[in-house]
Formats: sequence, C-alpha cells, structure tokens
Amino acid sequence: GENVEQHPSTLSVQEGDSAVIKCTYSDSASNYFPWYKQELGKRPQLIIDIRSNVGEKKDQRIAVTLNKTAKHFSLHITETQPEDSAVYFCAAGGGSARQLTFGSGTQLTVLP
Amino acid sequence: SAVISQKPSRDICQRGTSLTIQCQVDSQVTMMFWYRQQPGQSLTLIATANQGSEATYESGFVIDKFPISRPNLTFSTLTVSNMSPEDSSIYLCSVEGEGNYGYTFGSGTRLTVV
Repeated sequence: GENVEQHPSTLSVQEGDSAVIKCTYSDSASNYFPWYKQELGKRPQLIIDIRSNVGEKKDQRIAVTLNKTAKHFSLHITETQPEDSAVYFCAAGGGSARQLTFGSGTQLTVLP
Repeated sequence: SAVISQKPSRDICQRGTSLTIQCQVDSQVTMMFWYRQQPGQSLTLIATANQGSEATYESGFVIDKFPISRPNLTFSTLTVSNMSPEDSSIYLCSVEGEGNYGYTFGSGTRLTVV
C-alpha cells in the first residue's frame, strides 16, 4: 500500500517569512496530492491540492509543487501570518485505491 | 463540496460499552471513509464504506470491533464496540468531492473511554 512520509514534524518561522513542508510517497500509481490544515480541536480543512498531470499550483500565498519522478511534493507558504499556525497534513491517493494516505503532520508556528 | 453532519461531537463512555457515530451527507456519494486520529497523531484509515456491500477494513481494524453500516448513499454509521481506554481518539468520516477529488471531513467525534 501507499506510504507517505512528511517532514519536518515541527517548524517555527517569523511572521512574514516563508515555510516549506515536504512529503514523499511510495506508490507510483497515486495521482492526487492534497494538503490539509488542522487547527486545534477542528476538522482537517483542504487548503490546496494537485493532480499528477500538473507540476505546480498556486493559490494566493500557498503553492504546491509535485515531482512525480522523485515521488515528492511540497507545500510552500509565503508571507506567513500568525493565523497560519496549525498542523498541516499532506496526503496521497487516487490510482486503484481511492482512499487517502496521510503524512504524519507538521506543526507550524508563526512567531509574531 | 459536500457538507457532512457528524454526531455526536464528543462523548465519554465506560469501558466495555459501545458507541455509534453517525455521518449524514447533503449529497449522494459512492464511497465514505472512516478515519481515526489518536491524540497528537495523523489520520489513519479504518475502513471504506460502500452502499450495498460490506465495508473494506484496513490492516489492524476488524469488523467485530468497528462495525459499519451504509444503508444509502447519504448516510453511514461506525460503531466502536467493547471499548477500552486505547479507543480514546477522534473519529472522522470523509467523502470524496466531485471527480473523486477534494475529500472533505465531518466535524469529528471526540471519544474518551474511562
């Protein structure tokens, strides 16, 4: 089955700096790679996703890049703000199995 | 994207008892997914529920412990049976979005077993 590794597990940045979270996956059949933001006590919220026919996708301050050859994808947050502080999860899915496999999560703290 | 109503939002249960969690979706969906999130951990898939067939369980999860019902395309239940303190977790249901992308989650059930 799919295995997703995510790092770093914790990340602290100064407000206004950029944050990068990286994930690798094992199943070459996976073709869908979403990122979720989970604030304390709340459900995971989809913030951006990318499909395997695209190398990069951007939505305002958030961008995701995908390298299918190397089987890794990354989340980039620019101009970070305190409200970006949360746990971020990457996931991989699609292919023959439609369920998502999640990475272990990254606790992002944006320091004012 | 689909809107999911999940209940109860939280419960405190005695060991040895069972709790049934319900998820209602505002549109018809083929597949529903049940996840467990232990404190401070990631999301682990318990099972996939299809309407009209038995759920498919992931390694480490069995039907006797986590029976699932899927009576129609908008509703599913997960029961946590014969609970022990190790079952204390958040349980979440999830559905696919349009085109089998954009999975969304219910609000979660925070279960504490004492």
